[in-house]
Amino acid sequence: NAGVMQNPRHLVRRRGQEARLRCSPMKGHSHVYWYRQLPEEGLKFMVYLQKENIIDESGMPKERFSAEFPKEGPSILRIQQVVRGDSAAYFCASSPGTGGAFFGQGTRLTVV
Amino acid sequence: GEDVEQSLFLSVREGDSSVINCTYTDSSSTYLYWYKQEPGAGLQLLTYIFSNMDMKQDQRLTVLLNKKDKHLSLRIADTQTGDSAIYFCAEDNYGQNFVFGPGTRLSVLP
Repeated sequence: NAGVMQNPRHLVRRRGQEARLRCSPMKGHSHVYWYRQLPEEGLKFMVYLQKENIIDESGMPKERFSAEFPKEGPSILRIQQVVRGDSAAYFCASSPGTGGAFFGQGTRLTVV
Repeated sequence: GEDVEQSLFLSVREGDSSVINCTYTDSSSTYLYWYKQEPGAGLQLLTYIFSNMDMKQDQRLTVLLNKKDKHLSLRIADTQTGDSAIYFCAEDNYGQNFVFGPGTRLSVLP
């Protein structure tokens, strides 16, 4: 049973471009969470999704950010028109519902 | 709102015990968790405790939960240099919206 898979591991974008981050949850997990970690800081919750539904997006900026978890395929976190302040590590976690969330290795986004 | 607090730094000597503390505010948390993050890596789930338990032991790790004071601790016995990392305390509410503390950076001195 593979763990949570995130790709790409590293992503470089120029200001104004779009960034697409992918997350494949562990097999059998239907809950997906996205977190952002700024350098030397803790994790900040962004969004919680179940298949085809956004359950809680209270931590996600209203503009430029969107997330989806389709019936088939990975969860996608999309950042449009990236700015330097979007540079961070973005972690995805999946859970079967209780007992803890398991994290991927993260995608490190650098905006130049 | 939910809030989780931890001290930011801890230094111990190799072979000593480490105790990392955490306080939380959400009394409806179902589980409380400890995660470990090594440099450049994701978070590794170390252990978790159900909210109606007060202690859980797993090899060198002991988790203590004081639900009345909303205080959680992680004790690492015989701390090794490989234990140097950032340790995050987290709580959940029936699996919704895990809330993390800021992390405690553990440094193990030879």
